[in-house]
Amino acid sequence: AQTVTQSQPEMSVQEAETVTLSCTYDTSESDYYLFWYKQPPSRQMILVIRQEAYKQQNATENRFSVNFQKAAKSFSLKISDSQLGDAAMYFCALYSGGSNYKLTFGKGTLLTVNP
Amino acid sequence: GAGVSQSPSNKVTEKGKDVELRCDPISGHTALYWYRQSLGQGLEFLIYFQGNSAPDKSGLPSDRFSAERTGGSVSTLTIQRTQQEDSAVYLCASSWRTGGTEAFFGQGTRLTVV
Repeated sequence: AQTVTQSQPEMSVQEAETVTLSCTYDTSESDYYLFWYKQPPSRQMILVIRQEAYKQQNATENRFSVNFQKAAKSFSLKISDSQLGDAAMYFCALYSGGSNYKLTFGKGTLLTVNP
Repeated sequence: GAGVSQSPSNKVTEKGKDVELRCDPISGHTALYWYRQSLGQGLEFLIYFQGNSAPDKSGLPSDRFSAERTGGSVSTLTIQRTQQEDSAVYLCASSWRTGGTEAFFGQGTRLTVV
């Protein structure tokens, strides 16, 4: 079985500052993929960033970057220069190979951005 | 289509009635997923289709839930004899194949059972 744990139900950040959202996971597979999805109040899930487990380099997408610690099974998301539009629910997700074809999601972290 | 389309966007139904939720995936996407999102919870996996086949239905919460996919495209999730605990947002996602590719989500159907 694969699990994803997000230990921060809620986080807040001041506009223009940096915030880090935590995620830990567990899988027995050696080949897997990790994702961060954003869900604003519109309910539309949007992919923020994706990391392949075989890549040592941390993924980066503009103001979004991850800290992928494979041995510790940790996958945190850093948002730099936070903007009001970043306010949303953020979900960490895991896809591992073999018969685990499904994306497994954490319970999410609600991010508030204060002006 | 341009994105994953789900209908209806909102549905209010009386307890005991049957409901059908529809998902139109992105054209060409072979993999299709259904998830349920209850208030304050993460996404609960329900079922996955590869083409028209559902290799694993074990995520369906009870035998009142069923799903089908026809023509490798549109999928319907049916809930029979709805109960209040079925109230949730039902999300559909598709990807062009399984694996580590991006899953594109629809905006979901908010089901309220009264």
